[in-house]
Amino acid sequence: GQQVMQIPQYQHVQEGEDFTTYCNSSTTLSNIQWYKQRPGGHPVFLIQLVKSGEVKKQKRLTFQFGEAKKNSSLHITATQTTDVGTYFCAGGAYAGGTSYGKLTFGQGTILTVHP
Amino acid sequence: NAGVMQNPRHLVRRRGQEARLRCSPMKGHSHVYWYRQLPEEGLKFMVYLQKENIIDESGMPKERFSAEFPKEGPSILRIQQVVRGDSAAYFCASTHQIGQGDYEQYFGPGTRLTVT
Repeated sequence: GQQVMQIPQYQHVQEGEDFTTYCNSSTTLSNIQWYKQRPGGHPVFLIQLVKSGEVKKQKRLTFQFGEAKKNSSLHITATQTTDVGTYFCAGGAYAGGTSYGKLTFGQGTILTVHP
Repeated sequence: NAGVMQNPRHLVRRRGQEARLRCSPMKGHSHVYWYRQLPEEGLKFMVYLQKENIIDESGMPKERFSAEFPKEGPSILRIQQVVRGDSAAYFCASTHQIGQGDYEQYFGPGTRLTVT
């Protein structure tokens, strides 16, 4: 079955440093989504990437989808303490030529930011 | 505009008892997903349901676990004869699925199940 690997598992940074998490799929994805989960909270949708090579930005966050649609990254510039949490990627699979709603989540990257 | 609701938020069960977890999707959403999360681990897909249909239950253990999403009422994840290894956070998510494709999933606050 489809596997989505995410690295690193943990990342500790000083406030102001940059942060990147990477996601790799064993199969070509129809789309990739990113979620953030605060400690003790629930996952919250950040963004969806659909097109090969797509790049999207949300303020200090930059999301990329690889040309082969098998990998993705999330980069945060100048981290703040409010960025603390676990970042998950989630890939949609093709089924019969299109996707049908099931996502496979990566293991997540736990980000801690030291003030 | 209520979001996804789950109850109870915390559930304690003794080994051998049944656990029943409820999920009410966002208004207008007819697709529900259940995930299981262990501490500091990712979300493991369990089951994907549409009203009165199970679309994909490939992530759900064959024994003791069942799920339903009736025409009326919340989706229910049922765990019979719970064991300590069932202790985890169980999240449900809903989408406003229109045909094929992947849509943003809205997650509920989760049910933290503890088996003693």
